[in-house]
Amino acid sequence: QKEVEQNSGPLSVPEGAIASLNCTYSDRGSQSFFWYRQYSGKSPELIMFIYSNGDKEDGRFTAQLNKASQYVSLLIRDSQPSDSATYLCAVIKGATDSWGKLQFGAGTQVVVTP
Amino acid sequence: NAGVTQTPKFQVLKTGQSMTLQCAQDMNHNSMYWYRQDPGMGLRLIYYSASEGTTDKGEVPNGYNVSRLNKREFSLRLESAAPSQTSVYFCATSRGFTDNSPLHFGNGTRLTVT
Repeated sequence: QKEVEQNSGPLSVPEGAIASLNCTYSDRGSQSFFWYRQYSGKSPELIMFIYSNGDKEDGRFTAQLNKASQYVSLLIRDSQPSDSATYLCAVIKGATDSWGKLQFGAGTQVVVTP
Repeated sequence: NAGVTQTPKFQVLKTGQSMTLQCAQDMNHNSMYWYRQDPGMGLRLIYYSASEGTTDKGEVPNGYNVSRLNKREFSLRLESAAPSQTSVYFCATSRGFTDNSPLHFGNGTRLTVT
């Protein structure tokens, strides 16, 4: 079992709709969770991080964390063609490790169709 | 202000050849990392340098060596390349190792070993 699991997609989303991405993790001690966006051929860039149960909103993005069920999700509201990318879920293994030592999922490809 | 610069951008090696991937940053960050990205596997940490003068193994260090040349530069060396090392290599930096600062990635080096 991989430590961080994501559906590879592609997830096809009509423009203006909500894209919902899910990620599960195996280490119950993980405390901090990250969503990175990676355009094709480019490097990952951080969108959001979350470490408390519940929702965290930033613009059109909402991260949701449920530690009891060991999943973290990302919602993209009012999806735009520019949101077409691969979204990487990442967690810090254990409770106190560095933000630089991330365990990444393989990513979910999102395609926003006009 | 270039951020994190990796050279070369592309490289083709034959099995058994050696090469060094270079990474330089002008962000005055203390910590530097090397990740590799393979399809279906996500990003995996190879080595990291929490601060100038220190290096440590990550998740997949076999077949690689690193040198933290100074605060700005962190190189990754393949002594005897193998086809299994065909991958995209990303250098990343963070302001500190324990200060909850996020990763900033370079643009990557695409390496093919034949």
